[in-house]
Amino acid sequence: EAGVAQSPRYKIIEKRQSVAFWCNPISGHATLYWYQQILGQGPKLLIQFQNNGVVDDSQLPKDRFSAERLKGVDSTLKIQPAKLEDSAVYLCASSLELAGGETQYFGPGTRLLVL
Amino acid sequence: SQKIEQNSEALNIQEGKTATLTCNYTNYSPAYLQWYRQDPGRGPVFLLLIRENEKEKRKERLKVTFDTTLKQSLFHITASQPADSATYLCALDDAGANNLFFGTGTRLTVIP
Repeated sequence: EAGVAQSPRYKIIEKRQSVAFWCNPISGHATLYWYQQILGQGPKLLIQFQNNGVVDDSQLPKDRFSAERLKGVDSTLKIQPAKLEDSAVYLCASSLELAGGETQYFGPGTRLLVL
Repeated sequence: SQKIEQNSEALNIQEGKTATLTCNYTNYSPAYLQWYRQDPGRGPVFLLLIRENEKEKRKERLKVTFDTTLKQSLFHITASQPADSATYLCALDDAGANNLFFGTGTRLTVIP
């Protein structure tokens, strides 16, 4: 079974530029998550989708971050414009369904450096 | 405020010994608690889940305990090996919600 795929793996941009990350979850997984992991910290949930609907985006800085999952499969996360403090690893995860205790399967992440 | 604290940033132990990692939480009411392993440059990998009504869970050399009165989980790796060296993250829900809150992690190094 293929795991969660993410691209690109690394990205370096200057502040005020825009950037987009892509995620392909495990086939058949209804729930998709985007996390931000700053160096030395645990992952922090940004947004959670169930199929193509948003379940929780309370931690998403909506003035600069946006995410979509148009067909209920792949997802993109965009930052526009980027700030220095957005430097982090952006992790995508998926789970089979939306239920308490569901195992989340993580992709390798995209490491973003904002200069 | 809500907090999830893992006992130390880094833990070094000798090969063959038991590693014990601690996860303490404040102002959460978790229905379950999970432990993940994260290697450098990779995403977290699920290890174990324990529910609020369970005291202990085991899987091979891993053991997790969950004390909702102390608001603490302990994660044990017995007969530790250098290959166990990684960062270990605890994660929990809040009142049965479907999203997870992660601790900052403990970086374990097993010395041969």
